[in-house]
Amino acid sequence: KNQVEQSPQSLIILEGKNCTLQCNYTVSPFSNLRWYKQDTGRGPVSLTIMTFSENTKSNGRYTATLDADTKQSSLHITASQPSDSASYICVVSALTGGGNKLTFGTGTQLKVEL
Amino acid sequence: GAGVSQSPSNKVTEKGKDVELRCDPISGHTALYWYRQSLGQGLEFLIYFQGNSAPDKSGLPSDRFSAERTGGSVSTLTIQRTQQEDSAVYLCASSLKQSSYNEQFFGPGTRLTVL
Repeated sequence: KNQVEQSPQSLIILEGKNCTLQCNYTVSPFSNLRWYKQDTGRGPVSLTIMTFSENTKSNGRYTATLDADTKQSSLHITASQPSDSASYICVVSALTGGGNKLTFGTGTQLKVEL
Repeated sequence: GAGVSQSPSNKVTEKGKDVELRCDPISGHTALYWYRQSLGQGLEFLIYFQGNSAPDKSGLPSDRFSAERTGGSVSTLTIQRTQQEDSAVYLCASSLKQSSYNEQFFGPGTRLTVL
């Protein structure tokens, strides 16, 4: 069964600090992995997408890494800001024909305090 | 440009009633998806539409759930005889076409509460 597990479940950090969120998956065969940011009361917004051959991708203060061998990904946030407070969701897509069977993690709830 | 919009933003209903949730996708997007997000759970795929092809209904949890997409644009998700376990946020997303490489753009969701 395809699964995506994220850790930690929740995290509180002070403004300006860095943090790293983890995503482990068992989705196979692997196609790509996205990190989404979901603000409270809003829909998720894509931050990065990585395919099998990509090890790292940055989007501003967000840097995602992917180790396809160990089936792990991380999202690193530098110099955190209160606006980073949100749920971060890891989504993995399998190479299956037809349909849209993305596997979603349950998210890491991040709170950045002043 | 306008993003994906959903209505209503909140819906409170009594057990046993029917509800209709609406989604307006981004203009030109041929793929449209419905998801359910329950508290503490990951997004759960419900159904997706791609152009004029038959929809993939494999994620619908029961025959009380149905969805339509008229004219390749607006979609409605209908839940008949609602149950308390149907309480969740229902998210709609659209993309240029059905491919995991195409970013899905999500609407703000409809929060459904079944009393």
